Amino acid sequence: AQSVTQLDSQVPVFEEAPVELRCNYSSSVSVYLFWYVQYPNQGLQLLLKYLSGSTLVESINGFEAEFNKSQTSFHLRKPSVHISDTAEYFCAVQLYGQNFVFGPGTRLSVLP
Amino acid sequence: DAGVIQSPRHEVTEMGQEVTLRCKPISGHNSLFWYRQTMMRGLELLIYFNNNVPIDDSGMPEDRFSAKMPNASFSTLKIQPSEPRDSAVYFCASSQRGSPLHFGNGTRLTVT
Repeated sequence: AQSVTQLDSQVPVFEEAPVELRCNYSSSVSVYLFWYVQYPNQGLQLLLKYLSGSTLVESINGFEAEFNKSQTSFHLRKPSVHISDTAEYFCAVQLYGQNFVFGPGTRLSVLP
Repeated sequence: DAGVIQSPRHEVTEMGQEVTLRCKPISGHNSLFWYRQTMMRGLELLIYFNNNVPIDDSGMPEDRFSAKMPNASFSTLKIQPSEPRDSAVYFCASSQRGSPLHFGNGTRLTVT
């Protein structure tokens, strides 16, 4: 069975500092990988995805994630965060055509 | 496209009452998911459908919960009778094979 681990439940960071949100998954077969962001009182929104091809994927607002098959990881990074990045971030995996499995989420708090 | 549409946005009801949550998936999406989100338990999958057929309902808490998808453009999640511990935000999401999940804005349910 697939599972997703996000070791950090909360990550406080100062504005303009770099951040890494960790995600590890377990699966014996290939999967699709996703990061979702949830702002307060809103639904989850897709941030970026890895389906195939280049292992480094980027979002339009400066986040990037790298698929590492050997370490079964898909960590999310941003070199310089803004106050507006404060949100909860969820890593998710999907076995081809099957259910999505979400991690427990990491609450990113960007401090002034 | 209007995205995934959920109604109502907020629901406040008394214990013992029946509650019905509604969802209209994105047109053309063949998979539909119901999630529940609470502070204590995070994001939990309740049930998902492929081509209107329930595939996995192992996340449905108990017999008080039921979900239907009578056609490709509509689904309901019903709780009867409701209890205070059912208070949560309920999300509906849809996807097409090989594509990410698209979430609605959720229904915030409060059972007093």
